[in-house]
Amino acid sequence: DAGVTQSPTHLIKTRGQQVTLRCSPKSGHDTVSWYQQALGQGPQFIFQYYEEEERQRGNFPDRFSGHQFPNYSSELNVNALLLGDSALYLCASSLAEQQTYGYTFGSGTRLTVV
Amino acid sequence: AQTVTQSQPEMSVQEAETVTLSCTYDTSESNYYLFWYKQPPSRQMILVIRQEAYKQQNATENRFSVNFQKAAKSFSLKISDSQLGDTAMYFCAYLWGYSTLTFGKGTMLLVSP
Repeated sequence: DAGVTQSPTHLIKTRGQQVTLRCSPKSGHDTVSWYQQALGQGPQFIFQYYEEEERQRGNFPDRFSGHQFPNYSSELNVNALLLGDSALYLCASSLAEQQTYGYTFGSGTRLTVV
Repeated sequence: AQTVTQSQPEMSVQEAETVTLSCTYDTSESNYYLFWYKQPPSRQMILVIRQEAYKQQNATENRFSVNFQKAAKSFSLKISDSQLGDTAMYFCAYLWGYSTLTFGKGTMLLVSP
């Protein structure tokens, strides 16, 4: 049973460019959450998708956007990259009615903006 | 807004010893859930233990146990018989209703031989 799969694992982009990160949730899960983890910090919530809609959003600018597809996979898009966007981006999945049991996380995408 | 505070940036312990990691949180809710996650160098967050706030009994998972003090809003993790594989970042996290997981800044635990 595959867990949460994220791609790519590492990415280097230039300031001002755009990036798309991808996530496939654990089999059977229908909710996807995205987190940004700066070096030495705890993960910060970006947004959560359920039934192809953004259900909740954290304190991130509109440059961060996302999408969920009918097969529950998800994308995170970041426009006009800044040096401060360099971080580990974690995707987590859960079943909507069971999210109080915790989330299953992927291994993340390490984004470096130069 | 809910906040989670981990006041120990780093902890060290020798193999086979016991260590306790601290966590406090702030909430006005009465029914919520608390978690400890482990993040080894592989980067993947792994759920260690979960506590339901309405349950008085402290959760236990093998060598891992918690001391949940609801009135004090404290949720510490005790690791018994520490092993080298326990070396990792440990994050305390909070969740309420249909909100999302809120994490603390983490505690780096180093287990030495």
